[in-house]
Amino acid sequence: EVQLAQSGAEVKKPGESLRISCKGSGYTFTSYWISWVRQMPGKGLEWMGRIDPSDSYINYSPSFQGHVTISTDKTISTVYLEWSSLKASDTAMYYCARHTGGFGESWGQGTLVTVSS
Amino acid sequence: EIVMTQSPATLSVSPGNRATLSCRASQSVSSNLAWYQQKPGQAPRLLIYGASTRATGIPARFSGSGSGTEFTLTISSLQSEDFAVYYCQQYNNWPPWTFGQGTKVEIK
Repeated sequence: EVQLAQSGAEVKKPGESLRISCKGSGYTFTSYWISWVRQMPGKGLEWMGRIDPSDSYINYSPSFQGHVTISTDKTISTVYLEWSSLKASDTAMYYCARHTGGFGESWGQGTLVTVSS
Repeated sequence: EIVMTQSPATLSVSPGNRATLSCRASQSVSSNLAWYQQKPGQAPRLLIYGASTRATGIPARFSGSGSGTEFTLTISSLQSEDFAVYYCQQYNNWPPWTFGQGTKVEIK
């Protein structure tokens, strides 16, 4: 069974750093891209960027370029989303999604990030 | 960037009735359109891709149609588990993926 298991909820203060993870299992990890999608409280879905785990090629949405970093460790079938300095506006649910084409075939359960002083 | 616009924002439907959701693209996306269902507290679930192909395990009461800039998701006979928010997403010109703002299907 294909699974994307995301790391648990986080509560952070503004200015802190954070890395959340998405671990794939039940399939060949390097054969599928992984995208990250943000959902702010009560709002819709926003695509942040994607990574090809086979070669670490990355595309970022212009809206998120420079604000987050996507990376992978294919030896442990894991993709990461990282912030160096969180803001209150980063409070959201973050989903990872597996895809070969342009749509998310399988999704992680989500990681809730809360940034508050 | 292609802008996706969904209508209506909220659709009130009685169980057993048909629901018709619309999605419009700001420019042609050919048939490169997907639909997702999201229930409260859950991740999105892929329903339709290629504008009209049901994803694995999706019931036949869900159907998608359209091409170019106008798309429709139809739920032929609403079941209790179908009340949710539905998003369209284009992948003709990506990155980035772009999503519609969502249509909430609620019980009438």
